[in-house]
Amino acid sequence: DIVMTQSPDSLAVSLGERATINCKSSQSVLYSSDNKNYFAWYQQKPGQPPKLLIYWASTRESGVPDRFSGSGSGTDFTLTISSLQAEDVAVYYCQQYYGSSWTFGQGTKVEIK
Amino acid sequence: QVQLVESGGGVVQPGRSLRLSCAAAGFTFSTYAMNWVRQAPGKGLEWLAVISYDGINKYYADSVKGRFTISRDNSKNTLYVQMNRLRAEDTAVYYCARGKGGNYFFADHWGQGTLVTVSS
Repeated sequence: DIVMTQSPDSLAVSLGERATINCKSSQSVLYSSDNKNYFAWYQQKPGQPPKLLIYWASTRESGVPDRFSGSGSGTDFTLTISSLQAEDVAVYYCQQYYGSSWTFGQGTKVEIK
Repeated sequence: QVQLVESGGGVVQPGRSLRLSCAAAGFTFSTYAMNWVRQAPGKGLEWLAVISYDGINKYYADSVKGRFTISRDNSKNTLYVQMNRLRAEDTAVYYCARGKGGNYFFADHWGQGTLVTVSS
């Protein structure tokens, strides 16, 4: 199974500052057949289900603010919140699809400093 | 709008069975792959299973293979998971999630979840 490792486990960022979360996959999730990374980011606020933010590693889901961006390819990926807002306090998860199954990272908790 | 509503959770003794349902509305259910994902209290997300739009293809996480069975009834717009031989470690909130674009790859809509507690 592919293992997804996020870093850091938690971070505290001042309002308006940049937040960066990393996710490393134990093997590449870039499919050569279509040159796509089968990789996504989700946001989960307390008491709520996860919400899809980014898919194909860098495509923003409809309605997601443009302060959220995804980058990376192969095994290393990054979620960046360019200017942290109070409503961005949440746990963020990376997810990969490979061999008809998913695995998630352990989650990164983002708080306000 | 898309709605996914899970039901069937509750307290169940170890070794017993439980079936969860997920009622879908607001989209053409029969054209979307569907997933089950769970989250133990205070823990992260764990994918459990996916079923193709027509119910023919099913895939499972190793942790539940042989104990859990995913199914669907497209005439009732409902997704199911049959959970057998339940263990304490199956205690979690269980979410159903729609495959984005009808595919297996990501989930673009999630239900609010139903809590399953396995305890004697």
